[in-house]
Amino acid sequence: DTGVSQDPRHKITKRGQNVTFRCDPISEHNRLYWYRQTLGQGPEFLTYFQNEAQLEKSRLLSDRFSAERPKGSFSTLEIQRTEQGDSAMYLCASSLEAVSTDTQYFGPGTRLTVL
Amino acid sequence: GDSVTQMEGPVTLSEEAFLTINCTYTATGYPSLFWYVQYPGEGLQLLLKATKADDKGSNKGFEATYRKETTSFHLEKGSVQVSDSAVYFCALSFSGGFKTIFGAGTRLFVKA
Repeated sequence: DTGVSQDPRHKITKRGQNVTFRCDPISEHNRLYWYRQTLGQGPEFLTYFQNEAQLEKSRLLSDRFSAERPKGSFSTLEIQRTEQGDSAMYLCASSLEAVSTDTQYFGPGTRLTVL
Repeated sequence: GDSVTQMEGPVTLSEEAFLTINCTYTATGYPSLFWYVQYPGEGLQLLLKATKADDKGSNKGFEATYRKETTSFHLEKGSVQVSDSAVYFCALSFSGGFKTIFGAGTRLFVKA
């Protein structure tokens, strides 16, 4: 296993279109996270799954955003009716539940550009 | 709320210079602290971590000590290389998973 993978790496879309991103976590990791990173900023938390259950969602995640992890393995993040303000890098991370703390390992990200 | 503040960049150093990137945090409770690095065109990589007060994280010549009394986790390296040029992010999280809170990042340029 080579780590967290994300697909696509880049996506250019027109305003109003829907887009979907995929994340494949490290195989034994049961926790999966989505973050958004804009230029010059650190990643901001969007949502978190433990196995297939979505346990936390940020207020940043508007009604147009939905995330799923149907079988507790890969996850998808869909943005409906994209807006120019959605342009960002979308990062996925995974971790293994641990007694003390679990370290999150990040994928390479999907860069979204909304025209 | 919980937050991380790190020194603004860019930081420009000559090769073999000493590096310090300051990081302070605000948190309710006792978080774990992390430094992540993002090389040009690549994803975030964990550089080092510390899970409790007075712990020192170290990796690839970088060090940071968890200072509870000053709520700080400053990153240091004794002799930087051109290959250390990247963006460095300080971050915190709490046990039990959930989100990691990141600082805004500090860009480091190392000149030959």
